[in-house]
Amino acid sequence: DAGVIQSPRHEVTEMGQEVTLRCKPISGHDYLFWYRQTMMRGLELLIYFNNNVPIDDSGMPEDRFSAKMPNASFSTLKIQPSEPRDSAVYFCASSSLGQEQYFGPGTRLTVT
Amino acid sequence: QKEVEQNSGPLSVPEGAIASLNCTYSDRGSQSFFWYRQYSGKSPELIMFIYSNGDKEDGRFTAQLNKASQYVSLLIRDSQPSDSATYLCAVNLRSNYQLIWGAGTKLIIKP
Repeated sequence: DAGVIQSPRHEVTEMGQEVTLRCKPISGHDYLFWYRQTMMRGLELLIYFNNNVPIDDSGMPEDRFSAKMPNASFSTLKIQPSEPRDSAVYFCASSSLGQEQYFGPGTRLTVT
Repeated sequence: QKEVEQNSGPLSVPEGAIASLNCTYSDRGSQSFFWYRQYSGKSPELIMFIYSNGDKEDGRFTAQLNKASQYVSLLIRDSQPSDSATYLCAVNLRSNYQLIWGAGTKLIIKP
């Protein structure tokens, strides 16, 4: 079984540019979570979806961040414009019935 | 403020010994409890989950839950150098499906 797939694995961009991170959850999972991890703040939940509908986006740091899930097999997290403080590892995770979460390999974002 | 607390470590354990990792949580409404292992530069990997008071064993791993005292622990028997990683405790609240995460304990198994 394929796990959670994320792309790109690494992204280096300049401040002010738009960044789009992509995620394909495990087939059949109905929950999808976007996290950000830094040394200083640990693992932070940004937003999660249930059946493609955003349920809680209170963790999204500001309006520069947006997330969509147009169908059950695809989600995007967009940052526009990007800033150096957005540099982090972004993880996507999925689960069935909201229980055990399975993580993708992550996208390491560096904003210069 | 719902919190999950872990000792950041590092916790150093000799190879072959039992490693004991602890986690406390503040919300008595917590329903499900998870242990994840994260190697440096990798993503969190689920290794154990527990829902009921008591012990749950899976190979060399045992999760222990005590809801009255609001703690959950992970024991690793016959520790191996490959167990060296950061272990994250996560708690699922009754009210929603979010996991509240601890900051993690760094475990070092010394050969």
